[in-house]
Amino acid sequence: GAGVSQTPSNKVTEKGKYVELRCDPISGHTALYWYRQSLGQGPEFLIYFQGTGAADDSGLPNDRFFAVRPEGSVSTLKIQRTERGDSAVYLCASSLAGASGYTFGSGTRLTVV
Amino acid sequence: AQKVTQAQTEISVVEKEDVTLDCVYETRDTTYYLFWYKQPPSGELVFLIRRNSFDEQNEISGRYSWNFQKSTSSFNFTITASQVVDSAVYFCALIGKNSGNTPLVFGKGTRLSVIA
Repeated sequence: GAGVSQTPSNKVTEKGKYVELRCDPISGHTALYWYRQSLGQGPEFLIYFQGTGAADDSGLPNDRFFAVRPEGSVSTLKIQRTERGDSAVYLCASSLAGASGYTFGSGTRLTVV
Repeated sequence: AQKVTQAQTEISVVEKEDVTLDCVYETRDTTYYLFWYKQPPSGELVFLIRRNSFDEQNEISGRYSWNFQKSTSSFNFTITASQVVDSAVYFCALIGKNSGNTPLVFGKGTRLSVIA
């Protein structure tokens, strides 16, 4: 596609529920990144995929968070047993490789009530 | 470890004033890239510039200019003759390259308000 697409744009869920956030990167971009941005903060790294594999998942805060990219294109970020502290904007970015400029999606605003 | 510090949390200027946003970075990598992104109220992150560690030449793009100084580990961003449309949060970011493709590390951002 022309840009990075993230769905849904907004998600409200109850504490304890499971959510999935989807990212559709720019076609041909091999690298895909997930970030989380809390109010008034900069984006914080969660996980990075190169192709289908997670090259670096050191930013995932705990084992309730998991992400997949089974065919090397679309990625899904999964959060189990959501907590109110998970409320944030979840940003996805893709790039061709390495240090080329990332292209970010518009984000999914997750609110846990 | 990589770290980016943007000491200015918020800046407010009157339209047509010049404004400089500060960025100081820390890295042990000898090869790295520095970036600036703009986040307008709509929320998307807009790429502005990338600079590699071997290129210390200053860059100008219209009303925007960037001053990269390795001696002080700074990569400051100046907007000349600011406009209301420049109001946004601006993020400085860093990628270290010595250990492969480390992820982009962001500062906490500077919120710029340009008042008409």
